[in-house]
Amino acid sequence: DAGVIQSPRHEVTEMGQEVTLRCKPISGHDYLFWYRQTMMRGLELLIYFNNNVPIDDSGMPEDRFSAKMPNASFSTLKIQPSEPRDSAVYFCASKGTSPYNEQFFGPGTRLTVL
Amino acid sequence: TQLLEQSPQFLSIQEGENLTVYCNSSSVFSSLQWYRQEPGEGPVLLVTVVTGGEVKKLKRLTFQFGDARKDSSLHITAAQPGDTGLYLCAGPNTGGFKTIFGAGTRLFVKA
Repeated sequence: DAGVIQSPRHEVTEMGQEVTLRCKPISGHDYLFWYRQTMMRGLELLIYFNNNVPIDDSGMPEDRFSAKMPNASFSTLKIQPSEPRDSAVYFCASKGTSPYNEQFFGPGTRLTVL
Repeated sequence: TQLLEQSPQFLSIQEGENLTVYCNSSSVFSSLQWYRQEPGEGPVLLVTVVTGGEVKKLKRLTFQFGDARKDSSLHITAAQPGDTGLYLCAGPNTGGFKTIFGAGTRLFVKA
């Protein structure tokens, strides 16, 4: 069974450009989470969805960030315009029916904004 | 605010040594998870502990949940270079659907 799939694995862009990160959760999982990881701040939750509906976006740093989940098998995280301080590894994770909030992470997208 | 504090932040040891890393909170958690993250990869779930005082073993790794469900430890026996990685503890917030992560313990095992 395939795990969480993210693309691209690496993205290098220039300041001001739009960046779109993609995620395919594990089939049957009804929760999807977007995280950002940096050395300074560790793993931060940006937003999570339940049954394709955004539930909590309080971790989204500012209006330049947006996330969508048009269907159960696809989600995007968009940054527009991107800034150098957005450089980080972005992870998508999904969760199924476990009562213990166990999450399965994708391999991440390493974003570098020049 | 629920927080998870991990110690030590960094640990470098020789192959064959034993080690223990800790995850502490002033809050009670209904469960705690341990994840391992290898360089260039996402965190991978190792174990979930649920009951106060619970001990779980995964080969050379032993996980314990404190009696009061406010802390947990991970003990590795005879560490190997393959154990190198970032060890994260995590637990659900009061609402249950967001996960709180500790900052992690970065372990390096030298051959």
